[in-house]
Amino acid sequence: AQTVTQSQPEMSVQEAETVTLSCTYDTSENNYYLFWYKQPPSRQMILVIRQEAYKQQNATENRFSVNFQKAAKSFSLKISDSQLGDTAMYFCAFVKGGGADGLTFGKGTHLIIQP
Amino acid sequence: DAMVIQNPRYQVTQFGKPVTLSCSQTLNHNVMYWYQQKSSQAPKLLFHYYDKDFNNEADTPDNFQSRRPNTSFCFLDIRSPGLGDAAMYLCATSRVQGRYGNIQYFGAGTRLSVL
Repeated sequence: AQTVTQSQPEMSVQEAETVTLSCTYDTSENNYYLFWYKQPPSRQMILVIRQEAYKQQNATENRFSVNFQKAAKSFSLKISDSQLGDTAMYFCAFVKGGGADGLTFGKGTHLIIQP
Repeated sequence: DAMVIQNPRYQVTQFGKPVTLSCSQTLNHNVMYWYQQKSSQAPKLLFHYYDKDFNNEADTPDNFQSRRPNTSFCFLDIRSPGLGDAAMYLCATSRVQGRYGNIQYFGAGTRLSVL
């Protein structure tokens, strides 16, 4: 079984700053995917970014990028030029590749962007 | 354009009174998932359908059942809700293969209250 750990229950930064959310995971699988999902207050969970384990290159999506360290089983999310709309709960998640398994989520990090 | 639609958004039921939550999708994905998310916690997978094949998580209580009459619809039935079943219930879909395989798309959730 795999586990996902997010050690920062809450973080707060000023608008326009850069913030990094941490995530570590444990698995014996070689084929897997890692995700960061965003869940704004009372709104639905949306995908921020996806990383395929077999790809060495870190995924980027506009202001969002990851630092994927496969050997260390670390998968952090960097948000550049943070905006008020980035305020949300952020979940790191793992899924085994090649099948239809459900996501294993970390406990989440509540990110607050201050004006 | 909502792609995963959950109805109702809020559901109130009485202790022990059966309740059904609904999920529909316009993505034609072959996998549909149900997650339970209690307050300030990570979502927890209850079960999923891969096409018509039902896959139950080992620790999902027998009180929870699911039906998938066709590709587009999936239902979560709670036979005898207890106070501990009050939670947000999230439906998600994914396609197993292809460029966007393993990405799960979530509905807005149904918040269940048990009185």
